Amino acid sequence: DVNLVESGGGLVKPGGSLRLSCAASGFSFSQDSVNWVRQIPGKGLEWLASINHVLDYKYYGDLVKGRFTISSDNGKTTVFLQMNSLRADDTGVYLCARDVGDGDLGHFDLWGRGTLVTVSS
Amino acid sequence: DIVMTQSPDSLAVSLGERATINCKSSHDLLYSSNNKKYLAWYQHKSGQPPKVLIYWASTRASGVPDRFSGSGSGTDFTLTISSLQAEDVAVYFCQQYYSKPYTFGQGTKLEIK
Repeated sequence: DVNLVESGGGLVKPGGSLRLSCAASGFSFSQDSVNWVRQIPGKGLEWLASINHVLDYKYYGDLVKGRFTISSDNGKTTVFLQMNSLRADDTGVYLCARDVGDGDLGHFDLWGRGTLVTVSS
Repeated sequence: DIVMTQSPDSLAVSLGERATINCKSSHDLLYSSNNKKYLAWYQHKSGQPPKVLIYWASTRASGVPDRFSGSGSGTDFTLTISSLQAEDVAVYFCQQYYSKPYTFGQGTKLEIK
């Protein structure tokens, strides 16, 4: 059975940092792209970042460019999202998703359940 | 960025009746080089990971019941549930993967009338 499990969420003060993990179970990411998406109540889903393991390339949305960093472990079984300079409007549920399709663009065929990040003093 | 606008925000349909959800893109999602439309539909039930239903605008994902179908042009798309079942209660959202940043519709909450 294949799935994705996010972890690392929690309560953090404004300006603080968190490192989220997205662990693959039953497969490795070596031929996949992996994305981080967040769900903010009242705002729907926002795509944040993507790592393409085949092209060895990383993409970031404007909302998080310069503050968040996506990376993966050597075994390509876990993808991380290092989040710095967190703000109250970063509060939400953070989900990872595997991306399949056509070259560097694809739909998400596998998602995790998400991990809750709360930024508050 | 490509803006995805879904309608309606919420929908109540009787069991066995048809449910229709619309998604409009601010940019044509058809790549002329391969004649594919870069649009997907997802179902998100409370407490579960989102699940892909439709990709390439009209291709049903593996294991998805055939009561779910997708259609549309390059900018206007529709998800249709032909005969609503109780287990279809969920939030449905569309996504464009034509270009990054990937963007999503705001979601449609589907309930039983």
